[in-house]
Amino acid sequence: NAGVTQTPKFQVLKTGQSMTLQCAQDMNHEYMSWYRQDPGMGLRLIHYSVGAGITDQGEVPNGYNVSRSTTEDFPLRLLSAAPSQTSVYFCASSYGDRGPGANVLTFGAGSRLTVL
Amino acid sequence: SQQGEEDPQALSIQEGENATMNCSYKTSINNLQWYRQNSGRGLVHLILIRSNEREKHSGRLRVTLDTSKKSSSLLITASRAADTASYFCAQTTSYGKLTFGQGTILTVHP
Repeated sequence: NAGVTQTPKFQVLKTGQSMTLQCAQDMNHEYMSWYRQDPGMGLRLIHYSVGAGITDQGEVPNGYNVSRSTTEDFPLRLLSAAPSQTSVYFCASSYGDRGPGANVLTFGAGSRLTVL
Repeated sequence: SQQGEEDPQALSIQEGENATMNCSYKTSINNLQWYRQNSGRGLVHLILIRSNEREKHSGRLRVTLDTSKKSSSLLITASRAADTASYFCAQTTSYGKLTFGQGTILTVHP
């Protein structure tokens, strides 16, 4: 099992450029989410999805878009990158509220993004 | 704003000593979890305690939960250098949605 796979691992953008961070999971998890991690701030939830076709905003959604067309994939789009979006981004997934693994998140390895 | 606060922000101990980290939260929870993050890596789940439980053990880990005080603690007994990492508490407040604290950086010196 690959678990949660994030690509790319590192990316440098210029202000105003757009890009997509990819996230895929092979565990048939219903719930997927994106967090950003900044020094001294812990992890903050950007967007999450409770199933294919359903997405919702987290704590810091501005500047980011998501979609969930399949159970496996949950890409995060930056439409016009800003220096404030320099961060480490983590994708995570879980079974949601049901089952023995309910609510337990499996994290990807992270994507480090720098916006100049 | 974030749900939880962790204390201390950093903890430095010798191998063999016990490490205790505390977490406080603000609203009602379904369960509380602890995660570990090694430098430059993703978070790894350690233990989950449900809102109707008061204490849970897993190997050298002991977690307590006091819902009346809205607080939890993680105790790592007989620490090892390999336990050096950041530790985060996370609260589940609705369907699979977790809110994380800022974390405690634990350094265990050989």
